[in-house]
Amino acid sequence: AQSVTQLDSHVSVSEGTPVLLRCNYSSSYSPSLFWYVQHPNKGLQLLLKYTSAATLVKGINGFEAEFKKSETSFHLTKPSAHMSDAAEYFCVVSTNQAGTALIFGKGTTLSVSS
Amino acid sequence: EPEVTQTPSHQVTQMGQEVILRCVPISNHLYFYWYRQILGQKVEFLVSFYNNEISEKSEIFDDQFSVERPDGSNFTLKIRSTKLEDSAMYFCAGTANYGYTFGSGTRLTVV
Repeated sequence: AQSVTQLDSHVSVSEGTPVLLRCNYSSSYSPSLFWYVQHPNKGLQLLLKYTSAATLVKGINGFEAEFKKSETSFHLTKPSAHMSDAAEYFCVVSTNQAGTALIFGKGTTLSVSS
Repeated sequence: EPEVTQTPSHQVTQMGQEVILRCVPISNHLYFYWYRQILGQKVEFLVSFYNNEISEKSEIFDDQFSVERPDGSNFTLKIRSTKLEDSAMYFCAGTANYGYTFGSGTRLTVV
C-alpha cells in the first residue's frame, strides 16, 4: 500500500525567501514521486518527478526536491519565492508501473507576501 | 505543447440527473484516468482505462459511474444519477509510457 503525508497544510513566506514544503511517503514498492502545482481555477501542472534516477530532482520554475529513502521524504524547495509561486502544491506517490493510480497528498497552500 | 482538453469547464446539474464529462486526451496516450477533488479535500483516483476496458478503479467508482471511449478520441465519465456529494472538480489525465498530463478539469455542481 502507498500513502503520502504533507506535513503542512499552509505555508507562508515572504517574497525572496526560501520555500520548503514537506512530504513523507510510504510505499511497499520502489516508488515514483511527484510534485504537482495547482493555481486557482487551473488544472494540475507537473513540477518535477523522481523515478529512481538521481535523488536530487530539478523541476520547473526553480523548484527542486530531494528523495531521501532513509527518511522516506521528498521535500520540495526553492531558494527564493516569487509572488507567482502562490498556489496549492500536491505531493504524489505511485509505483513505477505504467497505468497505476497516483496517490495524492492533501496539499499545501503556499502564500507569498510582498 | 499537447494538452488534454476537458469540456465543459463548469456544469451545474440537478440532483438525480445524468451527466457526462468529456475529455480529449493527447493522441499518443495509452492509459486514461479520471480523478476528482471535492472542495477542500485531496485529489482522489476514480478509474483507469486501458485498451478499451477498465484496468483499475477505486471504491468511489461505484455502479453510478461509467467510462467509455466511444470513438477512439473522446474519453467520457458518466454519472447516472447525480447526488449532492458528487459536486467536485473532475480531472481527466492520460499517459503514454509514464508521465501524466492532466486536463484543466470540469467543476461539477449538483444542486
